[in-house]
This record gives sequence, C-alpha cells and structure tokens, in this order.
Amino acid sequence: DTGVSQNPRHKITKRGQNVTFRCDPISEHNRLYWYRQTLGQGPEFLTYFQNEAQLEKSRLLSDRFSAERPKGSFSTLEIQRTEQGDSAMYLCASSPEWNTEAFFGQGTRLTVV
Amino acid sequence: DQQVKQNSPSLSVQEGRISILNCDYTNSMFDYFLWYKKYPAEGPTFLISISSIKDKNEDGRFTVFLNKSAKHLSLHIVPSQPGDSAVYFCAATSNSGNTPLVFGKGTRLSVIA
Repeated sequence: DTGVSQNPRHKITKRGQNVTFRCDPISEHNRLYWYRQTLGQGPEFLTYFQNEAQLEKSRLLSDRFSAERPKGSFSTLEIQRTEQGDSAMYLCASSPEWNTEAFFGQGTRLTVV
Repeated sequence: DQQVKQNSPSLSVQEGRISILNCDYTNSMFDYFLWYKKYPAEGPTFLISISSIKDKNEDGRFTVFLNKSAKHLSLHIVPSQPGDSAVYFCAATSNSGNTPLVFGKGTRLSVIA
C-alpha cells in the first residue's frame, strides 16, 4: 500500500455535467476526508467519514455535492450540475482513528469550462 | 472567519540560512498543530506536528515552536536547501480527533542557491 490514491488526476468537464471522483485511502485508516483547494488558499474541509459513516459536512458542501464511502473502504465524491466555481483541486486524505495526522492523495484537478 | 492565519504569502531565503515560517490561530480549542509541505500538482505532505503540552518539537532540520499564550507557532528550517522550496501550510485541530484539520492559506518558500 503506497498511500492515498485519487482518480482521475485531472478532469475537464462542461458546465452542467456531473462528475465523480474516487479516493482509495491507506488500507488500515478508518477516517477519510475530502478537502477542496483553490488558488491562493489552503485546503478547505468538505466532509469526512469514520468507516462508512459520514460524520460531518461543511457548509461548503452544497446539495449538488454528495460523498459516499460504501463498506468503509474507498470513497466517491460526486458533483452534479457543475459550475465554473467548482473548478478546484479536490483532495482526499485518510488517517488512523487514534492519530490526527492526515495523509493526502495527489488530488483531482477539476476544470469546468 | 479565518481560524488559522499565515500572514506571509511568500518568503525567500538563501541556501544554508534559516527559514522561519509563522502561523497564528484564534480558536482556543485547538491543541494540536501540524505543518504540511506542498509541491505543485501534488497533495500536501505531512512534515511535523506539535501538541499543546509541548512548546518545541524537533525532527532533523525542522523544528516547530508553539507559544500558546500568543496563539502562535513557527516552523524553523535549518539549514535551508533548494529542495525545501514549496508551499508550507499550517494546520490545527483538537486532539480529541473529532474535528477535521483547519488550514492556513500557506506560505510559499523559495530557497535560493
């Protein structure tokens, strides 16, 4: 297990289309986080899971966004009816339950045209 | 309302000298602090952390200092190397582990050979 894996690395989509990103965390990590990063900003928290339970959602996560983590393994983040403002780097991270260091994947860069 | 602030967007240091990156926080509930390093097109990489029960933590060339009364922490890199050129993010959380990491906007460090 080489770390957190995210797919795809890059996604270009037309405004109004739906997109889905996947994150495979480090296998023994119970917690999985989604963050979004735009230019000049630090990562902004979107949501997180403890195993398969989604425990917290940021107010940044509009109703066009949905995240799942079936069976507590990989996670998907779906954005419906994409808008240009959704263009950003979407970062996934995972951590063991007893630790607070989160390990990040390489991110998925979304461009909405 | 920025709970974690990195007021210097950029810093330029000569190779071999000390780099000092600063971070301030406002939330008194934060008791665990982390520094991440980010290269372009990659996810953030964990660098070093410190708990509020300590005022200093050292790992090789990297030392983090915490001043709880001032709600201030700093990352010292000695000696600085060209490979240290990256964006550095300060992050904070509660050690209960039930809160996601809150990040600053980052400081871009350039180490000049």
